[in-house]
Amino acid sequence: AQSVTQLDSHVSVSEGTPVLLRCNYSSSYSPSLFWYVQHPNKGLQLLLKYTSAATLVKGINGFEAEFKKSETSFHLTKPSAHMSDAAEYFCVVSDSTGGFKTIFGAGTRLFVKA
Amino acid sequence: EADIYQTPRYLVIGTGKKITLECSQTMGHDKMYWYQQDPGMELHLIHYSYGVNSTEKGDLSSESTVSRIRTEHFPLTLESARPSHTSQYLCASSEFSLTDTQYFGPGTRLTVL
Repeated sequence: AQSVTQLDSHVSVSEGTPVLLRCNYSSSYSPSLFWYVQHPNKGLQLLLKYTSAATLVKGINGFEAEFKKSETSFHLTKPSAHMSDAAEYFCVVSDSTGGFKTIFGAGTRLFVKA
Repeated sequence: EADIYQTPRYLVIGTGKKITLECSQTMGHDKMYWYQQDPGMELHLIHYSYGVNSTEKGDLSSESTVSRIRTEHFPLTLESARPSHTSQYLCASSEFSLTDTQYFGPGTRLTVL
């Protein structure tokens, strides 16, 4: 069965320090994986996506994620946090085998301290 | 910025009223979606559409209904609103496949008293 687990509901970092948001997934077949960001009172915006090409995916605003099949992980990282990065982040797995399925993780709220 | 719009942004309504949440996109996308999101929680897919005259139920059972008469328009209707319908409703669209990048509207926050 398809599932997504975001391992931290809240992450707090200081401005200028690295960000790590963890995501594990399970999928029977080769999935597409996404990270979306949601700022308060806004819709979701795509940060990056993996679709079976390069395992290290670069996204917008300096974020990147690495697909590790052996660990079934797709963690989101950024070398240096900025205040504007404070938001809710969702890891998403999607595949169309056996019927369309898109599963969102529960979300990780990122706090950035000055 | 994606061209997908939702109205109203906020709605407070009494129990038993019929409501329609509007969603429109100007990108010509065939695939459209409705999600329900409770505060601090993940999104749950409640409806999706492959294109005109196509509607499918999502993973989360919902008493709402949808229609897709035009490519750009995907309204969601609740015939009789109840307090349990209080939530945020997000509309999205994608260009190529159901597993492609989705572009989201700003959402409608619904409160049923």
